[in-house]
Amino acid sequence: AQSVAQPEDQVNVAEGNPLTVKCTYSVSGNPYLFWYVQYPNRGLQFLLKYITGDNLVKGSYGFEAEFNKSQTSFHLKKPSALVSDSALYFCAVRDTNAGKSTFGDGTTLTVKP
Amino acid sequence: SQTIHQWPATLVQPVGSPLSLECTVEGTSNPNLYWYRQAAGRGLQLLFYSVGIGQISSEVPQNLSASRPQDRQFILSSKKLLLSDSGFYLCAWSFSGGGNEQFFGPGTRLTVL
Repeated sequence: AQSVAQPEDQVNVAEGNPLTVKCTYSVSGNPYLFWYVQYPNRGLQFLLKYITGDNLVKGSYGFEAEFNKSQTSFHLKKPSALVSDSALYFCAVRDTNAGKSTFGDGTTLTVKP
Repeated sequence: SQTIHQWPATLVQPVGSPLSLECTVEGTSNPNLYWYRQAAGRGLQLLFYSVGIGQISSEVPQNLSASRPQDRQFILSSKKLLLSDSGFYLCAWSFSGGGNEQFFGPGTRLTVL
């Protein structure tokens, strides 16, 4: 079985400050990990993924995420937040032996000017 | 490049009426296809996924069904809508293989009255 948790429903940061959106996962095998972003009334957009290799993954719009196997985490980060980063963020996990991904419940990021 | 289309964008239907939502993908062959429902702007519930024509996996027992009559066409249907079928329906596709991200359509907002 596979599962993913996003422990924070809401994250608020000031523009220019660093941001972190948390994600932890559980899989029986090795994980594929993904981050997506959703703007209001739109479909999800892919940001970045971890498959194998370097634990620090860089993605679109200046976002990055760090895979931590011992803590089973894959937190999304950005060094300097923009107001335009305000959106709903989803973490997803797929066990390498699974036929589908499991999505977290989402975290609403609000960046205030 | 690949594109994904969903229609209609919005739909208001009475309880007990039938439903047909269509999703098509252009620019690729033999994609994996997915239908999700998102309630109240939060988490995604996987409804169906398909790895090939005529191959449909159902994730949640419900009032809905899915079909894949052509390689790049995925249809979500219901014979009789319930109030609880209201929500935001998202179609997505991915290349086959577990490490591939999903690409989402713009979604259909369904309101059942």
